Amino acid sequence: QVQLVQSGSEVKKPGSSVKVSCKASGGTLRSYSVAWVRQAPGQALEWVGGIIPVLGVVSYALGFQGRATITADESTNTAYMELNSLRSDDTAVYYCAGDRDRSFHSWGQGTPVTVSS
Amino acid sequence: QSALTQPASVSGSPGQSITISCTGTSSDVGSYTLVSWYQQQPGKAPRLMIYEVNKRPSGVSNRFSGSKSGNTASLTISGLRAEDEANYYCSSYAGSTTFVVFGGGTKVTVL
Repeated sequence: QVQLVQSGSEVKKPGSSVKVSCKASGGTLRSYSVAWVRQAPGQALEWVGGIIPVLGVVSYALGFQGRATITADESTNTAYMELNSLRSDDTAVYYCAGDRDRSFHSWGQGTPVTVSS
Repeated sequence: QSALTQPASVSGSPGQSITISCTGTSSDVGSYTLVSWYQQQPGKAPRLMIYEVNKRPSGVSNRFSGSKSGNTASLTISGLRAEDEANYYCSSYAGSTTFVVFGGGTKVTVL
């Protein structure tokens, strides 16, 4: 089973950008789709988007289109999620997950992102 | 407000069975068998418990089972144990525009 290791916590100013990484080990990104899911404090899970690295196909939740960019680097087995124009309500833990037919079988440890002036 | 509706809390005594419902619409749960359930302990990443309505990943106890009828999916935990106390989330594929929707989560308490 692939293991996913994410980058560390981030503190950002409103209006800035954040880029979170997700490195796969025990498998290659070519074998997986990768989803990004976030969870605001005390709130439910929310799907941000996902990528099928072998096809280069990316999809986004409607609320993140134009503000989120998901990419993957097969040479380093790493997926990335960048979120622009950060607002205070983007404060959340961001997870990457291995996506198999829209079920998320393995998860990264989560990256806390705090947006505060 | 989440797209899928779950009860905020469900409780049961050790050894009992409980069922968590997840109500969607004909655009998500009602149209696809791609319904999943996740367990999340405080401060931890979610863990997949059920996928494709009723399939268990390797390592998940057979005390966990899933089903679906119409627009409502359900997760049943039988032989409830203290270690089952957690938040549970359902999700469903919702087509090629919306893709994935989650429920609001259900806190399971073992009395």
